Amino acid sequence: DTGVSQNPRHKITKRGQNVTFRCDPISEHNRLYWYRQTLGQGPEFLTYFQNEAQLEKSRLLSDRFSAERPKGSFSTLEIQRTEQGDSAMYLCASSPDLRDYGYTFGSGTRLTVV
Amino acid sequence: EDQVTQSPEALRLQEGESSSLNCSYTVSGLRGLFWYRQDPGKGPEFLFTLYSAGEEKEKERLKATLTKKESFLHITAPKPEDSATYLCAVKRNNNDMRFGAGTRLTVKP
Repeated sequence: DTGVSQNPRHKITKRGQNVTFRCDPISEHNRLYWYRQTLGQGPEFLTYFQNEAQLEKSRLLSDRFSAERPKGSFSTLEIQRTEQGDSAMYLCASSPDLRDYGYTFGSGTRLTVV
Repeated sequence: EDQVTQSPEALRLQEGESSSLNCSYTVSGLRGLFWYRQDPGKGPEFLFTLYSAGEEKEKERLKATLTKKESFLHITAPKPEDSATYLCAVKRNNNDMRFGAGTRLTVKP
C-alpha cells in the first residue's frame, strides 16, 4: 500500500467551471476526510465519511461542494461553478476506526481558479 | 468557541539550538491533541497523539507534552532536516479535527 493517493496534483480552471478531485485512501481505513488548506493556514475540515456514509459536513461547505464515497473505497470531491476563493490545497486523509490513530494525509490537489 | 493557537508563527534556529513550539487550545471535550509535520507541497505527516495532562511522547529529537490548556513540542539539538511547518490539532469528537495555523521552523546549518 502506497498511502493516500490524490489526483490530480494540480488543477487550473477558469472561474465558473466544475472540477472533480479523486482520493484513494489506504485500503484498510474505513474513515475518510476532506480538508482545505490555504497558504499560511492549517487544514480546515470539509467533510467526513465512515465507509460509504457521509456523516458530517462543515457549515463552511457551500452547496457548490459535493463529495461521494461509493462502496466505501475511493472518494471524489466536486466543486461546481468555481470561484476564485476556492483556490486552495484540497487534502484527503484516512484513518482506521481506532482512537489513537492520527490521520494519514495525501499530498493534496492544488486548485487554482483564474 | 473552540480555538487552537500556535506560537511563534515562525522560528529560525541554528543547528543544535534547542527550542520549544507552543500550542494553546480551548476546546470542550478534548478527545486528543495531535502534532503533525508538514513539508512544502505535501500533506501533513502524523507525529504524536496526546490524551491527558501530564502525558509525554518522544520521537527522535522531538518530545511533545500536554497540560490542560496547552501543548509543547520540544526540539532538542535540531538538524536542518527538521525544517518544516509543525501543526497542532485537537479532536473534539470522532469526526472533527481542528488545526492551528502552524509554526514554520527553519534550522540553519
